[in-house]
Amino acid sequence: QVQLQESGPGLVKPSETLSLTCAVSGYSISSGYYWGWIRQPPGKGLEWIGSIYYSGRTYYNPSLKSRVTISVDTSKIQFSLKLSSVTAADTAVYYCARSHYGSGWFDPWGQGTLVTVSS
Amino acid sequence: QSALTQPASVSGSPGQSITISCTGTSSDVGSYNLVSWYQQHPGKAPKLMIYEVSKWPSGVSNRFSGSKSGNTASLTISGLQAEDEAEYYCCSYADSSTWVFGGGTKLTVL
Repeated sequence: QVQLQESGPGLVKPSETLSLTCAVSGYSISSGYYWGWIRQPPGKGLEWIGSIYYSGRTYYNPSLKSRVTISVDTSKIQFSLKLSSVTAADTAVYYCARSHYGSGWFDPWGQGTLVTVSS
Repeated sequence: QSALTQPASVSGSPGQSITISCTGTSSDVGSYNLVSWYQQHPGKAPKLMIYEVSKWPSGVSNRFSGSKSGNTASLTISGLQAEDEAEYYCCSYADSSTWVFGGGTKLTVL
């Protein structure tokens, strides 16, 4: 059974870089699928941030592309998100999820982690 | 890349059927049969309910069904139950290998 777990600081200062990690258990990242990050500001909807294949190929949301870096560490069975120059608008619950581009789904999802941007 | 358009809220009584629409453009919903739907209860992570417009993941009730016509996809829930009360989000593959979500629809079971 595949499980994902996000981790990282819950508080980030404005203009700094948000860094999160998603640990994958029950499945080898190197076996395939894309791995994605999605966020949800408090009381608002979901926003796709980007996805990465185990080979390192990445796709990003055009609106965030200049600030986002997603990387994968197959040996550690985890993938990571870095979002630079954060502002209060980046305050959100950040989810990681496995995704299948051919069938168009995100499943399963991690439990999510709230990141607040504040000085 | 704009969010897909969903109604803010829908409601229905137990046993009834409801339909949630999800309107996109020719750059996403209209061009790809890669629409998925997610159910999210308060404080929980989203759960996949439908993928590839109308397919069920293992373990999801067939009371949930999906369809698409042109730039609009729809999720129908039949035989409404109290536990169906949640927020529902559509998601579509879009040009340039990106994904776009809808704004979400709150389903209230009366």
